[in-house]
Amino acid sequence: QLQLQESGPGLVKPSETLSLTCTVSDGSISSSRYYWVWIRQPPGRGLEWIGSISSTGTTYYNPSLKSRVTLSVDTSKNQFSLRLTSVTAADTAVYYCARSVGGSHDYWGQGTLVTVSS
Amino acid sequence: DIQMTQSPSTLSASVGDRVTITCRASQSISTWLAWYQQKPGKAPELLIYKASSLGSGVPSRFGGSGSGTEFTLTISSLQPDDFASYYCQQYNSHPWTFGQGTKVEIK
Repeated sequence: QLQLQESGPGLVKPSETLSLTCTVSDGSISSSRYYWVWIRQPPGRGLEWIGSISSTGTTYYNPSLKSRVTLSVDTSKNQFSLRLTSVTAADTAVYYCARSVGGSHDYWGQGTLVTVSS
Repeated sequence: DIQMTQSPSTLSASVGDRVTITCRASQSISTWLAWYQQKPGKAPELLIYKASSLGSGVPSRFGGSGSGTEFTLTISSLQPDDFASYYCQQYNSHPWTFGQGTKVEIK
């Protein structure tokens, strides 16, 4: 069964860059059937789609974050990554990576809490 | 952006009840809609995709219907494991957007 695991710092200072990596195991990230996505959830709130990337590097970003977000993929490591620049307290959230098939997300990582604080 | 509005925000029900959650889109999304279940401290899990197709391993008591702008998620007989939050998500056009969620509580 496919597994996804987020990794990265749990604490980031305001104005700095948040960087997370999602490692995919028991399956290949290289299939053209899928996109790989990042979704976040502020504490006690709902879900927000951040962006998606294909194995060939085609990206889609949420316009609300587009100026600050970069997604990348490393098929040799079966990983994809998120960079979010100039973070503020509003970026404090649980960040999930997931696999998207046609737009619905069938496999999710367990999520990682990132807190923005000095 | 397409706005997704769920109702109710909170629902109190008993084991065995039939439960219906509604999701409305601000414009037509055909049947490009998914439903997810989320339990506290856990990642969401896919229940329904393409408005009415059951996700892998999802019990048959869950059902989805609708097209265009109005959709429903129905739990035919609520089980103890079903007390959770539920989210709809449209994937008709980017940016993909979620409803605000419906929390199903024990009555």
